[in-house]
Amino acid sequence: DAGVIQSPRHEVTEMGQEVTLRCKPISGHDYLFWYRQTMMRGLELLIYFNNNVPIDDSGMPEDRFSAKMPNASFSTLKIQPSEPRDSAVYFCASSLRRVGNYGYTFGSGTRLTVV
Amino acid sequence: AQTVTQSQPEMSVQEAETVTLSCTYDTSESDYYLFWYKQPPSRQMILVIRQEAYKQQNATENRFSVNFQKAAKSFSLKISDSQLGDAAMYFCAYRKGGGGSQGNLIFGKGTKLSVKP
Repeated sequence: DAGVIQSPRHEVTEMGQEVTLRCKPISGHDYLFWYRQTMMRGLELLIYFNNNVPIDDSGMPEDRFSAKMPNASFSTLKIQPSEPRDSAVYFCASSLRRVGNYGYTFGSGTRLTVV
Repeated sequence: AQTVTQSQPEMSVQEAETVTLSCTYDTSESDYYLFWYKQPPSRQMILVIRQEAYKQQNATENRFSVNFQKAAKSFSLKISDSQLGDAAMYFCAYRKGGGGSQGNLIFGKGTKLSVKP
């Protein structure tokens, strides 16, 4: 099992550019989560999917953020246009079920720097 | 809304000694789960230990154990025989039982643990 795979590991972009972060969840997991980690706000849930369907996107900060999950093995988080305050580490996590004591399995994260 | 508080931004322990990291949470729910995650410099979030609220017995995973005090809403992590590889950020997390959006993981701000050789 390769775990949750995120790409790229690092991304540096200029303000105003479009950024796309990618995630491949663990095979068979039916929940996928996108988190953002900053020093000021810690770990925040942005959006989560169940069986490829977005369930709760209330954590998405602005319309500049969008997420898709076209199939069970791939998800993207897009920021367009990017701003310096979007600089953070973005984590993808997957889970077999949402109930019970199942923890999430996290990817290694993408460190985004917007200059 | 549920909240998780880690009151110790930083902690330090001597190698081979024992250290306890504190976590308190606020919830009106009776069915929930608690977790400790470790984040080393590699950035990977690693699940260390988990606890079901309905279980009175404290969870244990090798050198890691918890002290779960449900009435006090306290969930501390004890690391015994500390090793250099234990140095990391440690996050306490809460998840409401059952379905719905409230079942998402809510994290504390973390405690940075340093291990001195």
